[in-house]
Amino acid sequence: AQKVTQAQTEISVVEKEDVTLDCVYETRDTTYYLFWYKQPPSGELVFLIRRNSFDEQNEISGRYSWNFQKSTSSFNFTITASQVVDSAVYFCALRRSQGNLIFGKGTKLSVKP
Amino acid sequence: NAGVTQTPKFRILKIGQSMTLQCTQDMNHNYMYWYRQDPGMGLKLIYYSVGAGITDKGEVPNGYNVSRSTTEDFPLRLELAAPSQTSVYFCASSYGQLQDTQYFGPGTRLTVL
Repeated sequence: AQKVTQAQTEISVVEKEDVTLDCVYETRDTTYYLFWYKQPPSGELVFLIRRNSFDEQNEISGRYSWNFQKSTSSFNFTITASQVVDSAVYFCALRRSQGNLIFGKGTKLSVKP
Repeated sequence: NAGVTQTPKFRILKIGQSMTLQCTQDMNHNYMYWYRQDPGMGLKLIYYSVGAGITDKGEVPNGYNVSRSTTEDFPLRLELAAPSQTSVYFCASSYGQLQDTQYFGPGTRLTVL
């Protein structure tokens, strides 16, 4: 079965704290892609990152970093020194060979000033 | 580039009415998708299209129809609206299949009363 699990429904932190959003996936495909999207309160979906199954290098983009570990089928997302503008729902998604995205249920992150 | 645009932004329907949600992309993408997002859930695929004249069912196609007469447009038709179709609908597009990022429109919030 193809599945994406985001076990953390809601997380609340105070500004400047670091926070990690967990994502665990299941797939039998050997070639697949993983994504993170951000959905701010305004409702649109904003693409953050894409990672293919053959590239396990961690990635850093400013305050954002991603840790992909095939051994544990995880693709976790860390925000360093969180800011109020990071408040949003974050979705992890798996794209399998058939092309459509399978989304997790999302993690709602609230960053308090 | 406007990217992916959707109209209308909001709509209230009565049970049994029909309507068409419009989606247009100006990125010359071959692939287009319709998703629905229910409260507290990730997105689920309704229909997708790999090119003009070609459409296929996703995970939750019942109660919906689509057509793709041009590369740019991918309207979603609701016939005989039901309360279970109350949701936020997102259209997305991508250039290719597996490795390409899907870009999303701003969404249409539909309520069926």
